[in-house]
Amino acid sequence: AQKITQTQPGMFVQEKEAVTLDCTYDTSDPSYGLFWYKQPSSGEMIFLIYQGSYDQQNATEGRYSLNFQKARKSANLVISASQLGDSAMYFCAITMNAGGTSYGKLTFGQGTILTVHP
Amino acid sequence: DVKVTQSSRYLVKRTGEKVFLECVQDMDHENMFWYRQDPGLGLRLIYFSYDVKMKEKGDIPEGYSVSREKKERFSLILESASTNQTSMYLCASSPRTGSVIQYFGAGTRLSVL
Repeated sequence: AQKITQTQPGMFVQEKEAVTLDCTYDTSDPSYGLFWYKQPSSGEMIFLIYQGSYDQQNATEGRYSLNFQKARKSANLVISASQLGDSAMYFCAITMNAGGTSYGKLTFGQGTILTVHP
Repeated sequence: DVKVTQSSRYLVKRTGEKVFLECVQDMDHENMFWYRQDPGLGLRLIYFSYDVKMKEKGDIPEGYSVSREKKERFSLILESASTNQTSMYLCASSPRTGSVIQYFGAGTRLSVL
């Protein structure tokens, strides 16, 4: 079974500063994928970034980067230059058999609420 | 632009009612999913479907069933709604091959009284 743990129920950051949201995972599958999603108060889940377990480089998407430390089984999300619109719930998720043919079932963490202060 | 549409944003039902939650995607995706979101528990998979008329149980299928008669539509059915099924329900879809990204609908907040 796969498991995702997000230990920070809530985080606060000042506008324009960087923030790191923690995510650790547990899986016995050698091939897997890690995701971060953002959920604003409106409710929709917005895909942010993806990292495959065999990817050598850390994934980056604009102001988002994924700090992937395979040996430590961590996949922290780093948001640079925070904006007020970044205030939301953030979820880390894992799927097995990343890439190729996959049903892509996701296992989610509990989520972290990020609040950006002006 | 990708689009997953859930038929209702808010629903209020009574205990014992049969409830249908509808989800439609316009991306020709093979895979579709129903999740339930509760505070402190994140999202949990109820059922998923990898093709028309095909379905598999997720982690918490008890009290739910699903229907997928057409590729673009995936329905979640609460046969006899109970108060412990009050929750946020999210539908998602993804292609069978290539990208593993799941695209989500806006969610349905269901209250069972």
